[in-house]
Order: sequence, then C-alpha cells, then structure tokens
Amino acid sequence: DTEVTQTPKHLVMGMTNKKSLKCEQHMGHRAMYWYKQKAKKPPELMFVYSYEKLSINESVPSRFSPECPNSSLLNLHLHALQPEDSALYLCASSQGRLAYGYTFGSGTRLTVV
Amino acid sequence: AQTVTQSQPEMSVQEAETVTLSCTYDTSESDYYLFWYKQPPSRQMILVIRQEAYKQQNATENRFSVNFQKAAKSFSLKISDSQLGDAAMYFCAYRSAGANSKLTFGKGITLSVRP
Repeated sequence: DTEVTQTPKHLVMGMTNKKSLKCEQHMGHRAMYWYKQKAKKPPELMFVYSYEKLSINESVPSRFSPECPNSSLLNLHLHALQPEDSALYLCASSQGRLAYGYTFGSGTRLTVV
Repeated sequence: AQTVTQSQPEMSVQEAETVTLSCTYDTSESDYYLFWYKQPPSRQMILVIRQEAYKQQNATENRFSVNFQKAAKSFSLKISDSQLGDAAMYFCAYRSAGANSKLTFGKGITLSVRP
C-alpha cells in the first residue's frame, strides 16, 4: 500500500457545525502532515506529527484541532469555522529519509457556509 | 529562511514538444533536497522527481529531467515529449537536511498542453 487516503473527499459545513477530516496511511511512515491549500496557490503547512506527537503547529487557529490516535491515522477536527477556511485540506506522510519527500493524499474539499 | 521562486505563473507547450519550467531558491545551507511536484485537476500532489544537493548528477525519471545548478541555486524541470496528461500545476519545493525540516513550496506554475 503506497497511498495516503483522505475522507471525505468533499465536505460542506455550517459555521456552527463540528466535523472531522480523516487521513490514513499504511506505509509505516512516522511523520504526518496537514496542509491547507487555496485555489492556484501552494499548500500551506498547518501541523506536523512525528512519532504520533505534535511537533509543529504553524500558529493555526484553535478552531482546527489535530489528533493522531496511532501511527497510521491522522484526524483534523473542525469547529466554528469561518467561510475563509474554505479550501482543499491535504494530508501527507513521510518516512525517515528526508530525500524521499512526502506522499500526499488527494485532499478534502471543504466549503464553509 | 529558505525561499523558492517560480517566476512564471503559466506556460504552454505543444504535444510531443519539450518544455522547461524554471525554479530558483535561496538558502545558506549546503545539504538539502529539491523536489518537483505535479498537481493535476484531480488535486493529488504527485512527486515527479527529486534531487539531493550533494549529488552532482542531474536526476532523471523517464521523460522528466532536471538541470540542477547548485552554485546558481537553480533547479529547472524539463519535460520531453509532452503529453496531454502532463497538463497540471507544478510546484518546486525545498527541504533542508535538518531534523523536523519542512517542505517549502514555490508559488507554482500552470502548464497547459496543446493537442
């Protein structure tokens, strides 16, 4: 298995809703990442988990809450989002060797109404 | 801090022709890694090619090759025999060799392929 699987593919939520994005990989990668991407822009790093511990939080608002229950699974819990949070949310993972780059999922397209 | 610059927002190439996408970067480090990612309309970021800075030989992956000029801090991507499926947004990215290093992306370039 050489994939990063993200669910759901599309999500529409109201500003008062609570929802979660899920990311799963079975490649044995010990680092996992959440990125936010606006149309025609590069991905922006949000969070990094290394060996199931949060190692980097890029000053992301608390309405985004990451969770890494085990080495294969990464969640992003969403609460009280704003319309400007509408974007493509990408998950990625990487193995220990830095030269191999990241493996990305196909993302969740989030629309906040 | 490292920066990655892709100065051309868009390019177009005729099918079967060759196109070169430019990328420059700025760093004070000597050991790092460079990547080109492709993002088609399907949204998934796909690793096209990678280059280790300590290797002088330019990386090649089938129709994709790079021209890595370390002194000039330049890392261009050449796509030979362009195909319709090559149409996508392409991002150049940098990663330092240190622990907990992050990928730094350029702004990207949209490549269209004319049939």
